[in-house]
Amino acid sequence: ETGVTQTPRHLVMGMTNKKSLKCEQHLGHNAMYWYKQSAKKPLELMFVYSLEERVENNSVPSRFSPECPNSSHLFLHLHTLQPEDSALYLCASSQRTGGDNEQFFGPGTRLTVL
Amino acid sequence: RKEVEQDPGPFNVPEGATVAFNCTYSNSASQSFFWYRQDCRKEPKLLMSVYSSGNEDGRFTAQLNRASQYISLLIRDSKLSDSATYLCVVNGGGFKTIFGAGTRLFVKA
Repeated sequence: ETGVTQTPRHLVMGMTNKKSLKCEQHLGHNAMYWYKQSAKKPLELMFVYSLEERVENNSVPSRFSPECPNSSHLFLHLHTLQPEDSALYLCASSQRTGGDNEQFFGPGTRLTVL
Repeated sequence: RKEVEQDPGPFNVPEGATVAFNCTYSNSASQSFFWYRQDCRKEPKLLMSVYSSGNEDGRFTAQLNRASQYISLLIRDSKLSDSATYLCVVNGGGFKTIFGAGTRLFVKA
């Protein structure tokens, strides 16, 4: 399936590295999301973009920096991460924001911070 | 109290069994409700939306009880392929979508 793609699929980085996660949606949606999924914990919403404007930032540490250059692409820039940031990072998109909209998820990037 | 709470399971059931999951939510103003399915090491995918009148899709039935603030998912005639984690999802309006931690289901032959 190619609706929402994410790269890389796996990433190992040191605490001093800078890396970026990329998400692309081919569904013509107007809203995009970043979620964090840690083992045995619920998905945590990190950021929401609607029409390329950030509309939600759930108290995420500044070492995570999102960027949405257009409605099809979403990035998550990472720097000076901590080992507890190791998790699966999922990107999602929906037609628009709002509760009744189905979210389509990408396959995720499994991040390990050493 | 967690905003969305689910029994983590796991539920171990034989093929052909009927199994039910419940989910409770804390925000009485919540407006939209969903069940998503997540297979091992895969992304979540929408299974079904949950409407006030209840809804059915083949072997799957979802119910909403606003007074008691819970939603349920019933799976009849379980198949091996139903083995997955089932996520309860609640939207309280706007961008605030809350996922439960999920209930794991194992269907065995």
